Amino acid sequence: QSVLTQPPSVSGAPGQRITISCTGSSSDIGAGYDVHWYQLLPGTPPKLLIYGNNNRPSGVPDRFSGSKSGASASLAISGLQAEDEADYYCQSYDSSLNGVVFGGGTKLTVL
Amino acid sequence: QVQLVESGGGVVQPGRSLRLSCAASGFTFTSYAMHWVRQAPGKGLGWVAIISYDGSNKYYADSVKGRFTISRDNSKNTLYLQINSLRAEDTAVYYCARDPSMYTSDFRFDYWGQGTLVTVSS
Repeated sequence: QSVLTQPPSVSGAPGQRITISCTGSSSDIGAGYDVHWYQLLPGTPPKLLIYGNNNRPSGVPDRFSGSKSGASASLAISGLQAEDEADYYCQSYDSSLNGVVFGGGTKLTVL
Repeated sequence: QVQLVESGGGVVQPGRSLRLSCAASGFTFTSYAMHWVRQAPGKGLGWVAIISYDGSNKYYADSVKGRFTISRDNSKNTLYLQINSLRAEDTAVYYCARDPSMYTSDFRFDYWGQGTLVTVSS
């Protein structure tokens, strides 16, 4: 199983706001390492959505936001749109593993 | 624009070897650390390895240590992944990805290739 824990699925209606949680431990998120979020649309490579806990790369709408507190982080998507339907992964660094760790991914369904 | 193009995937028998390549363009390849990340069918993302901008440092996920070797040829702007003693559980799409920090590593990814599929099957 994945080092970081995410809910397998979330859903919301168009226009609504949803959040996806990402829970780590004292050797990764809780140790102060940044959390990053990626969006995977079917048949396409991952796209960086949020980096450094709460920063958006250019071109990512401000409907997407990130936060971090203690050993957990969250991705929020407001004004949900049909094209947001995708898989979302959180990612950080783990000092005990000396490497990158991912969450198991969350499938977002737009109702 | 940044482009990463993987190649070398295919159907391989268990126990055989394979070398994946990732051709980079649109940026100064010699200044950036690079990663390999894989995704098995129906599974999540899994980090494989990282190599520093000059190739002097390499780190691997525990699950691939001893069988996988990451390398780079900066004269050819190409990243490689040598996979030995292939197992069924190595079946995955393999992505190369750029680390966004120059001359160091943030252990995150800002650009990804389209991926190359490796299928281990007899």
